[in-house]
Amino acid sequence: GAGVSQSPSNKVTEKGKDVELRCDPISGHTALYWYRQSLGQGLEFLIYFQGNSAPDKSGLPSDRFSAERTGGSVSTLTIQRTQQEDSAVYLCASSPGGGTYNEQFFGPGTRLTVL
Amino acid sequence: AQSVSQHNHHVILSEAASLELGCNYSYGGTVNLFWYVQYPGQHLQLLLKYFSGDPLVKGIKGFEAEFIKSKFSFNLRKPSVQWSDTAEYFCAVKRGGADGLTFGKGTHLIIQP
Repeated sequence: GAGVSQSPSNKVTEKGKDVELRCDPISGHTALYWYRQSLGQGLEFLIYFQGNSAPDKSGLPSDRFSAERTGGSVSTLTIQRTQQEDSAVYLCASSPGGGTYNEQFFGPGTRLTVL
Repeated sequence: AQSVSQHNHHVILSEAASLELGCNYSYGGTVNLFWYVQYPGQHLQLLLKYFSGDPLVKGIKGFEAEFIKSKFSFNLRKPSVQWSDTAEYFCAVKRGGADGLTFGKGTHLIIQP
């Protein structure tokens, strides 16, 4: 079956522009996670959705970052006024539920480059 | 805050050598432990996981890991590596609730033919 998909696969933008990154989780998975992978920081957890709600947004790096999920499926991560330090690979993962015993399945990521 | 430490950032081995990658975590409560692998050009894949029970867990491709609670460790092992094991390996920890995974910095493993 289809795995987690993300679009675009690559995004190059200029500093100060806004970007939207999209994640399509595995069908039926209620939990969705966003991570960021960068050379300096490794893999960082950003935010988690159970259904359409995000109980904890404290992992988002700044108030320029926001995320939403609609219909319990697709999620969008938005970065406003991008900065060069936002350059990274943004990964999405989904799992059947948000509980402790569920494996997370990762997508291929979106490579964001801010010039 | 919990943290995950992977002791080796780069490891180079010859084919058929034995492998052990170290992983230690700092959280004292109940945790779930994972090893993920990222092959060149591919996305993260789960190698193995520990939730409870037998502390020696077996994963895909001949990998295994041992959970030692007293040492807060979850080391990854493989008796005989292959060239195709060249990849980045990540140890990760999850508590319950809304937390995502906390990853180590990763170990870049290169297997020389």
